[in-house]
Amino acid sequence: EIVLTQSPGTLSLSPGERATLSCRASQSISSIYLAWYQQKPGQSPRLLIYGASSRATGIPDRFSGSGSGRDFTLTISRLEPEDFAVYFCQQYGGSPQTFGQGTKVEIK
Amino acid sequence: EVQMVETGGGLIQPGGSLRLSCAASGFAVSSSYMNWVRQAPGKGLEWVSILYSGGSTYYTDSVKGRFTISRDDSKNTLYLQMNSLRAEDTAVYYCTRAYSWNYAYMDVWGKGTTVTVSS
Repeated sequence: EIVLTQSPGTLSLSPGERATLSCRASQSISSIYLAWYQQKPGQSPRLLIYGASSRATGIPDRFSGSGSGRDFTLTISRLEPEDFAVYFCQQYGGSPQTFGQGTKVEIK
Repeated sequence: EVQMVETGGGLIQPGGSLRLSCAASGFAVSSSYMNWVRQAPGKGLEWVSILYSGGSTYYTDSVKGRFTISRDDSKNTLYLQMNSLRAEDTAVYYCTRAYSWNYAYMDVWGKGTTVTVSS
């Protein structure tokens, strides 16, 4: 099973700042098999990024994804108030598909 | 509008059974790759099961032999039959649609239904 480790656990930032979230896989995965999701309190997750760098429908361009091999990054260029949430990465190249434990982006 | 609504959650004693339902609209469950994903209280996401359009099914190890995923094409509904429930099965269960069999990112999520296993 591929284990995804997200860091940091919590990121305390102010609106307008840049957020950089990391997702490290226990083994190399093709970038086409890496996704990112956003989850707000009391809501279900929402797909942000798939294939490591492709934005899902309706996702603002302040969200971007990058990476390859074992290391992947989600960047939010300028945090908006609605971006404070928990973010999960997912790999769907190995069986079973697995998720990271999440990074909480909170208001500083 | 593409959406899914889960029902069937509740409080159940250890060893009991529940059947979750996921009613879909705006797309056909029969031609989609449908998952159940769960989230224990305050925890992360865990993939539980997938049903391919062709009928193949797969499960995470911890539920094999206890859970069964199925669908009713006439009702456009996905199910999860959960037997021999344990306390560690307590979670919000989400119904999700995967983009395809090999690009299994989840582009549609239901709002979830809560299962609590406790005596």
